[in-house]
Amino acid sequence: KTQVEQSPQSLVVRQGENCVLQCNYSVTPDNHLRWFKQDTGKGLVSLTVLVDQKDKTSNGRYSATLDKDAKHSTLHITATLLDDTATYICVVGDRGSALGRLHFGAGTQLIVIP
Amino acid sequence: EAAVTQSPRNKVTVTGGNVTLSCRQTNSHNYMYWYRQDTGHGLRLIHYSYGAGNLQIGDVPDGYKATRTTQEDFFLLLELASPSQTSLYFCASRGLGFYEQYFGPGTRLTVL
Repeated sequence: KTQVEQSPQSLVVRQGENCVLQCNYSVTPDNHLRWFKQDTGKGLVSLTVLVDQKDKTSNGRYSATLDKDAKHSTLHITATLLDDTATYICVVGDRGSALGRLHFGAGTQLIVIP
Repeated sequence: EAAVTQSPRNKVTVTGGNVTLSCRQTNSHNYMYWYRQDTGHGLRLIHYSYGAGNLQIGDVPDGYKATRTTQEDFFLLLELASPSQTSLYFCASRGLGFYEQYFGPGTRLTVL
């Protein structure tokens, strides 16, 4: 059963526009949530990690929110660049797992066009 | 900076072939993980280990063996590779800190 759902599955925006990616999860108990950026066929690059019950983070043009009560996170990208074209993956850490189990979403494919 | 390396970065083999994927971490981490990534799926856990000589089964272990020879080295073995094992494989390590799993760059495996 998929415990991390991301939406939309794919998204096309014009360079300079803003966009919002969504992540809903059912992992219980949840520990933290991390957003990764993955260029096609490449490794995972961490963008931000959210930890608190209601958390906000900012990393340059990337900002994120987490609401653990709603089990929902958003990733905002402002003033998109062509280099933002990638898959963005939401990952939730399972606090009930001694092995540090992570639950991965399937990702949102973002395409930025000129 | 935590470091996880994987080799080879790309591998092509034939059905029934024998493949070993290697992972090394220089972080002195206890936990190491092997994942596979396929289109439409999140990363899925194949095997993991919490120390040299220890092996644990993940969520999609069929067709895979693993071996943790040292604290640093974790290997994934495909003894009879099948086309369904064509995938992008990631290795990761984690220390005592719960928030951090460090990922390697990935190995692209193609089974013809």
